[in-house]
Amino acid sequence: DTGVSQDPRHKITKRGQNVTFRCDPISEHNRLYWYRQTLGQGPEFLTYFQNEAQLEKSRLLSDRFSAERPKGSFSTLEIQRTEQGDSAMYLCASSFGNPHEQFFGPGTRLTVL
Amino acid sequence: GQQLNQSPQSMFIQEGEDVSMNCTSSSIFNTWLWYKQEPGEGPVLLIALYKAGELTSNGRLTAQFGITRKDSFLNISASIPSDVGIYFCAGQMVGANSKLTFGKGITLSVRP
Repeated sequence: DTGVSQDPRHKITKRGQNVTFRCDPISEHNRLYWYRQTLGQGPEFLTYFQNEAQLEKSRLLSDRFSAERPKGSFSTLEIQRTEQGDSAMYLCASSFGNPHEQFFGPGTRLTVL
Repeated sequence: GQQLNQSPQSMFIQEGEDVSMNCTSSSIFNTWLWYKQEPGEGPVLLIALYKAGELTSNGRLTAQFGITRKDSFLNISASIPSDVGIYFCAGQMVGANSKLTFGKGITLSVRP
C-alpha cells in the first residue's frame, strides 16, 4: 500500500515564473486536499476535491492559483506569476470514507527567489 | 486564520518521562485529530477522535476529546528519542465539511 506521493519534492523558481506540482493520492481515495504550510505554522487549507469535482476553495487560493483533478485520480496545483510570498511547503492529502482522517504526502517545498 | 491554540511552542523532556499537550479553541469542533510531523515530511496521523468525552489510545499515545468540544489533549507516556517532532492538533469545525483547521504545533525534544 503506497501512500500519498508528491512531485517534485523541492522546487526553486524565480519570481514571475509559473510552477506546477503533482499529487498522487492513495489508490481509491476519492477525496483529495491541498494545504499550504509556512515555517512555524500548521498546514492551512487551500482546496478540496471529491472525485473530479472541486468542492471548496479557501480565500487563500488567489486567482494565480489553480488546481485540477481531471480524472478523479491525481491532482495538479499550478501557481502562475509566482511571488516571494508563495514560498512554502505545499501539502497534499487524501481520504476515503471518513473525510476527516486525511493522509498527507511528503510535500513540495517551493522557494521563490 | 487558524483558530486552534497550542502552547507552549516547544517542550523539552527527558527520555522516559510522560508529556501532555493540549489544544484549545473558542469554537466547537466535531472532530479532533492529532498529527506528528518530522523535518521535511508531511504530517502523520496519530489519533482521531469523534465524540465528546472520547478517550482513544494508540500505543503509548492517548488522546481525549474534551467534553465542551472546544479542546483536546494528547498524552505520550514513557517518551523515547524517536518521539521528537512537531505535534499538531487539527479539527473539523461545525459546518466546515472536509476542511481541517490546524494549530501551530508544539515542538517536542527528548533528551536521552
